[in-house]
Amino acid sequence: DAKTTQPNSMESNEEEPVHLPCNHSTISGTDYIHWYRQLPSQGPEYVIHGLTSNVNNRMASLAIAEDRKSSTLILHRATLRDAAVYYCILRDMLGNLIFGKGTKLSVKP
Amino acid sequence: GAGVSQSPRYKVAKRGQDVALRCDPISGHVSLFWYQQALGQGPEFLTYFQNEAQLDKSGLPSDRFFAERPEGSVSTLKIQRTQQEDSAVYLCASSLVQGNQPQHFGDGTRLSIL
Repeated sequence: DAKTTQPNSMESNEEEPVHLPCNHSTISGTDYIHWYRQLPSQGPEYVIHGLTSNVNNRMASLAIAEDRKSSTLILHRATLRDAAVYYCILRDMLGNLIFGKGTKLSVKP
Repeated sequence: GAGVSQSPRYKVAKRGQDVALRCDPISGHVSLFWYQQALGQGPEFLTYFQNEAQLDKSGLPSDRFFAERPEGSVSTLKIQRTQQEDSAVYLCASSLVQGNQPQHFGDGTRLSIL
């Protein structure tokens, strides 16, 4: 299974942008890059996904490197509610999600 | 609209007892997934249904774990002869179809085995 590498934790200040990195050097040509986040005591929540081009939605932006070996999730203005564990996942052709340990994001007021 | 609903929210059982965990997916969602999440870890895949067919059960840790979805809607995860290492949060997710559709998760059942 293709794997991802993320920092264990990151800190941000409220209302500032946050860039969450993810390395996936063994990504295959058909793997999509998915991001989910998990707030305390809740199930994971879908954030965004992409294949090659950068993607934007109401929650975040996803910047994908040209060689696809890394990507960055961008939260444009962090709020306290964005404090969560963020998972970067490569989704295989079967569509199963294989979670790692993710990045725990703390947001300071 | 209603999201994925799981019950009970918390379950405490004595070692050796059987437990059943229920998942109500989003109406109309074809695909249903079960995951197990140990404390401090990411969720781990257990099994996958497409309608009533269980297409992948490769993540079930032992033959004590059994899942069903007889009518292609509600699903039940059953654990027989529970052991302490079964203590975890069990998450259910559903998606419209398989492939790269987002999965919608419930808030899980926290199972504690004494």
